[in-house]
Amino acid sequence: DTGVSQDPRHKITKRGQNVTFRCDPISEHNRLYWYRQTLGQGPEFLTYFQNEAQLEKSRLLSDRFSAERPKGSFSTLEIQRTEQGDSAMYLCASSAPYREIYYGYTFGSGTRLTVV
Amino acid sequence: DQQVKQNSPSLSVQEGRISILNCDYTNSMFDYFLWYKKYPAEGPTFLISISSIKDKNEDGRFTVFLNKSAKHLSLHIVPSQPGDSAVYFCAARTSYDKVIFGPGTSLSVIP
Repeated sequence: DTGVSQDPRHKITKRGQNVTFRCDPISEHNRLYWYRQTLGQGPEFLTYFQNEAQLEKSRLLSDRFSAERPKGSFSTLEIQRTEQGDSAMYLCASSAPYREIYYGYTFGSGTRLTVV
Repeated sequence: DQQVKQNSPSLSVQEGRISILNCDYTNSMFDYFLWYKKYPAEGPTFLISISSIKDKNEDGRFTVFLNKSAKHLSLHIVPSQPGDSAVYFCAARTSYDKVIFGPGTSLSVIP
């Protein structure tokens, strides 16, 4: 169990640029979640995958956001035409459904996005 | 609408004493409740959970109490240690649905 890896740890971008984040979940976990956290708030759900299928997207996820999980392994989250309001910590988590209840999700350390 | 609420943004406790973190929720369909702990520059870490059919779950120094009629749960840490200083998130979920988090309470344990 090597944990959930997220890359990069930090990203500074200019407004209007596109950014892409990567998440590598724990290998035996078939569920993968993306959350966003802003200062003073708890993590907010964005979207989740079971294997390669994207099962739910939050209404917070505008058309500028897209997520993929090809082959049910790693996942990418892309933000197009970034805005200053996109500045946040983007958290990825993974889980195995039968263990979720007892052990919760395993989160990565997050990608801190700053849009200037 | 915030379904999971933590009305105390911060809490300070003396080392060795009890820390009590509170959480309220609005959705009666929640069937599992979880607490996560977060240190700066790290992702949240799962701490303890409780099913809606129970009223107490204990794991070492951590105990979670659930009062379904009041839609209220609390996390007790006894005795509190300086390493417990972190942000604690209360979270909840319905069956096989995503977890919804509260805004968090920042706990400071003073040596």
